[in-house]
Amino acid sequence: QVQLVESGGGVVQPGGSLRLSCAASGFTFTSYGMHWVRQVPGKGLEWVAFIRYDGSNRYYADSVKGRFTILRDNSKNTVHLQMNSLRAEDTAVYYCVKDVDFWSGLGNWGQGTLVIVSS
Amino acid sequence: QSALTQPASVSGSPGQSITISCTGTSSDVGAYNYVSWYQQHPGKAPKLMIYDVSNRPSGVSNRFSGSKSGNTASLTISGLQAEDEADYYCSSYTTSSTQVFGGGTQLTVL
Repeated sequence: QVQLVESGGGVVQPGGSLRLSCAASGFTFTSYGMHWVRQVPGKGLEWVAFIRYDGSNRYYADSVKGRFTILRDNSKNTVHLQMNSLRAEDTAVYYCVKDVDFWSGLGNWGQGTLVIVSS
Repeated sequence: QSALTQPASVSGSPGQSITISCTGTSSDVGAYNYVSWYQQHPGKAPKLMIYDVSNRPSGVSNRFSGSKSGNTASLTISGLQAEDEADYYCSSYTTSSTQVFGGGTQLTVL
């Protein structure tokens, strides 16, 4: 079965950097795009970024463009979210999500990793 | 990109049907048939319930159905059950090549 396991969350100071990772298994990783979605505890969902199956194209929400980078390593079945210039408003649970098909839907979700940006 | 508009809450009794609306614009919901719906129970990750407006993933009950008219999409849950009590989110692909979510709807089963 599909498994997505996020790691790398934690507490970081404003202006700092953090790299989230997501280890994928149970499906042909090289055939699917991957998303990151975040959720402030108690609030709604916010889409963050998407990378195509082969890494050829990446897409970002305006709120993170220029600060976050989504990457994938198809040899290791992993996807990463490099987060720079972090702000308090980036505090959230970050979910790694497998695409159903190009933009069709967000099919399988990891359990999430919490990022807290605070001094 | 503004969030899609959903009612904050809906409620229904067991066995009844309820519908949750999701209103966007011609740049998102109205532009493509890429509307999806998610169920989230407290403390859990969201779960995909509907994709491409009206398709159900394997394993999702056929009590859940989706539709779209113009800039508004809808999720209908028939034969309401206690386990359906959760938050529901709609989402759509946009003409800016991004994904946008609705603010979420809290479903209460009375």
